Amino acid sequence: DVKVTQSSRYLVKRTGEKVFLECVQDMDHENMFWYRQDPGLGLRLIYFSYDVKMKEKGDIPEGYSVSREKKERFSLILESASTNQTSMYLCASSFPLRGLTNTEAFFGQGTRLTVV
Amino acid sequence: QQQVKQSPQSLIVQKGGISIINCAYENTAFDYFPWYQQFPGKGPALLIAIRPDVSEKKEGRFTISFNKSAKQFSLHIMDSQPGDSATYFCAASIESNSGYALNFGKGTSLLVTP
Repeated sequence: DVKVTQSSRYLVKRTGEKVFLECVQDMDHENMFWYRQDPGLGLRLIYFSYDVKMKEKGDIPEGYSVSREKKERFSLILESASTNQTSMYLCASSFPLRGLTNTEAFFGQGTRLTVV
Repeated sequence: QQQVKQSPQSLIVQKGGISIINCAYENTAFDYFPWYQQFPGKGPALLIAIRPDVSEKKEGRFTISFNKSAKQFSLHIMDSQPGDSATYFCAASIESNSGYALNFGKGTSLLVTP
């Protein structure tokens, strides 16, 4: 029944490390997203992808990059982790909006990343 | 900047009461307005959504009211239950050639007391 799977629930990394967060969906969705969730700030979009090898910056892309080599997999990369990137990271996927009635975005359970 | 403004930040309602959460937006090009519900330790899940061509949508105890001229929409939870206690996010989106992404409000933490 699991539709969007994030590779880790909890991660602890050191400042300066390169960090990879992996997300896989099994619904053949074109769109995939990475959000971070912080108390009082809601969900903020980091990057999204509407097709393989395609990506768009969201509201807070600084310090992050993404990779989408296969339709089902979307990776978030922290090039050099910093303490202000300690957060909950949520991956989501969906069909495109246009022409379809089912526009629901499905979320993974999140990865709580702590950078020390 | 936050494209969707949500209020209140937190809400306490007695069992059986009505919970009301409000959202406002500026971009008139938005054409899809969903509400997501999130329980602790879980990712958000779609609760109900509306397109701007209708003013109201009801699904069970949950209703979205949409006011296009005021650029506002709200979630009403009738007969609120303790099981409704969760964080609620409104969102807005626009389709484009490069797909779409949801712009979320900051969330409302709802507590329904017995």
